[in-house]
Amino acid sequence: KAGVTQTPRYLIKTRGQQVTLSCSPISGHRSVSWYQQTPGQGLQFLFEYFSETQRNKGNFPGRFSGRQFSNSRSEMNVSTLELGDSALYLCASSLQGDSPLHFGNGTRLTVT
Amino acid sequence: KNEVEQSPQNLTAQEGEFITINCSYSVGISALHWLQQHPGGGIVSLFMLSSGKKKHGRLIATINIQEKHSSLHITASHPRDSAVYICAASNTGNQFYFGTGTSLTVIP
Repeated sequence: KAGVTQTPRYLIKTRGQQVTLSCSPISGHRSVSWYQQTPGQGLQFLFEYFSETQRNKGNFPGRFSGRQFSNSRSEMNVSTLELGDSALYLCASSLQGDSPLHFGNGTRLTVT
Repeated sequence: KNEVEQSPQNLTAQEGEFITINCSYSVGISALHWLQQHPGGGIVSLFMLSSGKKKHGRLIATINIQEKHSSLHITASHPRDSAVYICAASNTGNQFYFGTGTSLTVIP
């Protein structure tokens, strides 16, 4: 069974631009969650989607948004990028959200 | 104060030693997760538990709901166990709170 796939692996953007990251969950998994990891703040929860609905959201500004498609694939969008958005963005999938998480390898975003 | 506190922050052990990493949380939880992150970023979920104790190979995770405390034990540690171990609490709304991680180095 294929694991969680995140694309792209690396991304360099300029301040003010926007970016879209993609996450393909394990087949059959309906929950996809997103996380930001930085050296200063560690891992932080962004949001979780289940059956195309956002069920929960962390404490991030509205510039961070996401969506989930009918095939459970998810995208995360960050608009008006700031230097502080440079981070490793991880997504994880699980069967229902209250089952073990399976993480992707992450997308490393650098904002210059 | 963080919702999830981990200790120690850094740990160096000799191969073969018994290792304990502690996690305390202040939020109501539906589950407590132990994650392992190797250099390069990949995260693996080791345990998800809501009560009692779970064992997988040389790894054991315990949780005391009344005391809001969990421990991760590694028996007979090995250099390949060197990684960052992260404790995370999730509530019924599937909101996640993460500890800052414990960086473990096992020396041969």
